[in-house]
Amino acid sequence: NAGVTQTPKFRILKIGQSMTLQCTQDMNHNYMYWYRQDPGMGLKLIYYSVGAGITDKGEVPNGYNVSRSTTEDFPLRLELAAPSQTSVYFCASSSHRERGFFGPGTRLTVL
Amino acid sequence: GNSVTQMEGPVTLSEEAFLTINCTYTATGYPSLFWYVQYPGEGLQLLLKATKADDKGSNKGFEATYRKETTSFHLEKGSVQVSDSAVYFCALSPPGNTGFQKLVFGTGTRLLVSP
Repeated sequence: NAGVTQTPKFRILKIGQSMTLQCTQDMNHNYMYWYRQDPGMGLKLIYYSVGAGITDKGEVPNGYNVSRSTTEDFPLRLELAAPSQTSVYFCASSSHRERGFFGPGTRLTVL
Repeated sequence: GNSVTQMEGPVTLSEEAFLTINCTYTATGYPSLFWYVQYPGEGLQLLLKATKADDKGSNKGFEATYRKETTSFHLEKGSVQVSDSAVYFCALSPPGNTGFQKLVFGTGTRLLVSP
């Protein structure tokens, strides 16, 4: 049982490049989430999904896109990377309310 | 709005020392309160929670009491171990919240325990 896995662990992008952060969970959870954590700040919700085919914006969605075609996968897409998107990105999933299972994070730097 | 304030780290302690990590919150009504822990290289894990005033959450020797009068949820442990070295996040769930997505996190406090 791997829980929530994220790839890659680290990435450096140039301004304007695009990339997809992958997130997979094997717990059959309906809810999945993407958070970002900037240095010295708390986690902020980017997007979340309550089931396959259903996504919604969180607190800081600008510059990102998501899709949820399966229960297991919830990729986060950055289309035109900007320095302001330098952050650590956490994916999480849950079935029970208010108890999230988190992945180890992806550290992204945009130069 | 809702917010969580944690003490800045790192907190550096010797093994067997007493630990307190301060957390205060701002919210309307009665939120639920949580502590999450992130060990090196891993994701955040729920450590303990309290859902109403005067409740005490506890797990793995850690405790936190929901204090409405001081709007606080300080994390304590009587005797820390090297294996407790991690980042600790305080969080709240607003009243009436029906999903994990509404959690509001603090900035995290890094704990370093030396032998």
